[in-house]
Amino acid sequence: AQKITQTQPGMFVQEKEAVTLDCTYDTSDPSYGLFWYKQPSSGEMIFLIYQGSYDQQNATEGRYSLNFQKARKSANLVISASQLGDSAMYFCAMRGGMDTGRRALTFGSGTRLQVQP
Amino acid sequence: DAGITQSPRYKITETGRQVTLMCHQTWSHSYMFWYRQDLGHGLRLIYYSAAADITDKGEVPDGYVVSRSKTENFPLTLESATRSQTSVYFCASSGNRGTNEKLFFGSGTQLSVL
Repeated sequence: AQKITQTQPGMFVQEKEAVTLDCTYDTSDPSYGLFWYKQPSSGEMIFLIYQGSYDQQNATEGRYSLNFQKARKSANLVISASQLGDSAMYFCAMRGGMDTGRRALTFGSGTRLQVQP
Repeated sequence: DAGITQSPRYKITETGRQVTLMCHQTWSHSYMFWYRQDLGHGLRLIYYSAAADITDKGEVPDGYVVSRSKTENFPLTLESATRSQTSVYFCASSGNRGTNEKLFFGSGTQLSVL
């Protein structure tokens, strides 16, 4: 079974500073994918970044980067130069394998980030 | 701009009533999913579908029924609503090319069961 753990229910960061949101995962699949989604107060789910288990480099998308440490089974999201608009709930998720039954993403419980001016 | 749409956006019902939440996508994605979001639990998978007429249970399927007669539609029915089914429901879809296929989500349906 796959499991995603986000141990930070809430975090605060000052505007323009960097912040790291933690995510650890557990899977027995040799091939898997890790995702981060953002959910602002409006409720929609916005895809941010993806990391494949065999990717040699950490994924980056603009101000978002994924600190992938395979041996430690962690996939932390780093947001650089935080903006007020980054205030939202952030979910880590994973998909393991290609079987039909595992095409869904397994989500963590989320971290609520608040950016302070 | 087409995409994935859910209806209704908000729904209030009473215990014991049948409720159907609709989901429609225009990308011809093979996979469709229903999740529920509850505080402290993140998103939990209710049911998923790999193609038309192929559906299977997720983590929390009890009390829910799905169907997928057409690729683009994936309705979720609560046969006899209970208060514990008060939640925000998300429909999502994805292609089937690889592990990196992201899920595209609808805007969600906020359901209250009184």
